[in-house]
Amino acid sequence: EAGVTQFPSHSVIEKGQTVTLRCDPISGHDNLYWYRRVMGKEIKFLLHFVKESKQDESGMPNNRFLAERTGGTYSTLKVQPAELEDSGVYFCASSQNWRGAGNEQFFGPGTRLTVL
Amino acid sequence: EDKVVQSPLSLVVHEGDTVTLNCSYEVTNFRSLLWYKQEKKAPTFLFMLTSSGIEKKSGRLSSILDKKELFSILNITATQTGDSAIYLCAVSPSYDKVIFGPGTSLSVIP
Repeated sequence: EAGVTQFPSHSVIEKGQTVTLRCDPISGHDNLYWYRRVMGKEIKFLLHFVKESKQDESGMPNNRFLAERTGGTYSTLKVQPAELEDSGVYFCASSQNWRGAGNEQFFGPGTRLTVL
Repeated sequence: EDKVVQSPLSLVVHEGDTVTLNCSYEVTNFRSLLWYKQEKKAPTFLFMLTSSGIEKKSGRLSSILDKKELFSILNITATQTGDSAIYLCAVSPSYDKVIFGPGTSLSVIP
């Protein structure tokens, strides 16, 4: 079974440009999460989709970040315009459980974003 | 603010040693505590703990949770070079959110 995949694996852009990150969750997983790890800090939650609906986007840093999950399959995270402090590794994770006790999230390999 | 703290942040040991990684947390609500191993890319799931005092075990790795003292430990016995990784502790305060600690970077040298 294919795991969570993310594209691209690494992106280098200039400040002010736009970048779109993509995540393909494990097939059949309704829950999709975006996380970010900036240099020297812990992984931080950004937002959570259940199917195509945003369940919690409290971790999104500001309105330069837009996440979508049209059709409830893959998700995109767009940063526009990118700033230097947006550099980091963006992880996507997916899980199957909804409100059960389990919360095992399967992580993708991450996209390393470098803003120059 | 919900917080997860791990110690040590970095550890270097020799093959065959036993290590104990610590995780403490402060959260307004607790559902589960998770341990992940991160090598080059994606964090991979190790354990999920929800009840105090029940040890979870997988090969040379084991973990236990103390919900009264708000901490967990991850033990690795007879370490091997393949155990070198960042070990992430995370707490899930709700079904849709996971709060990560900074991780412990473990290096096992031959």
